[in-house]
Amino acid sequence: EDQVTQSPEALRLQEGESSSLNCSYTVSGLRGLFWYRQDPGKGPEFLFTLYSAGEEKEKERLKATLTKKESFLHITAPKPEDSATYLCAVNDYKLSFGAGTTVTVRA
Amino acid sequence: DTGVSQDPRHKITKRGQNVTFRCDPISEHNRLYWYRQTLGQGPEFLTYFQNEAQLEKSRLLSDRFSAERPKGSFSTLEIQRTEQGDSAMYLCASIPVGDTEAFFGQGTRLTVV
Repeated sequence: EDQVTQSPEALRLQEGESSSLNCSYTVSGLRGLFWYRQDPGKGPEFLFTLYSAGEEKEKERLKATLTKKESFLHITAPKPEDSATYLCAVNDYKLSFGAGTTVTVRA
Repeated sequence: DTGVSQDPRHKITKRGQNVTFRCDPISEHNRLYWYRQTLGQGPEFLTYFQNEAQLEKSRLLSDRFSAERPKGSFSTLEIQRTEQGDSAMYLCASIPVGDTEAFFGQGTRLTVV
């Protein structure tokens, strides 16, 4: 059965303090890996899709990378508005999500 | 087209009542998904459709839950005889051919009292 594990569960950062979130997965047939941002009480907001090992995608202060077994979301010089829960999901027709990493950025 | 739309946004119901939620996906997205999310957890897969065909249903989904997608357009999720444990956020997502992205609606927050 597909498994997606995200770490750490929570991350507290000072504004400007760069860090990385991890998403490790086991899946039989990966059709892509999605990253999302979710604010409290709202639906997940799509960020990136990665398809193959070595691929990278960037959006503002976020950069996502993919290997055969894990993906990383790098947050460079974060701002308080980057505070959110970040979710990853593997797509093998059925999207399987990790539990998320809750990021808090203090000014 | 402004994205995936879900209705209602909030629903409070008494235990034992039936509820129905609606999801309107992005036009021409052929796959539609339903998820349930509780506080502090990632979305939990319930079921998905490709066009009008329901292709997979979670083993965790009891027979009180049923979903339809007539004509491959909007979808409904019905919960019969609601229980307090059904209280959660119910999310809908749609994916286009090619799996380039998956967009979610804002969800329906269900509270069973």
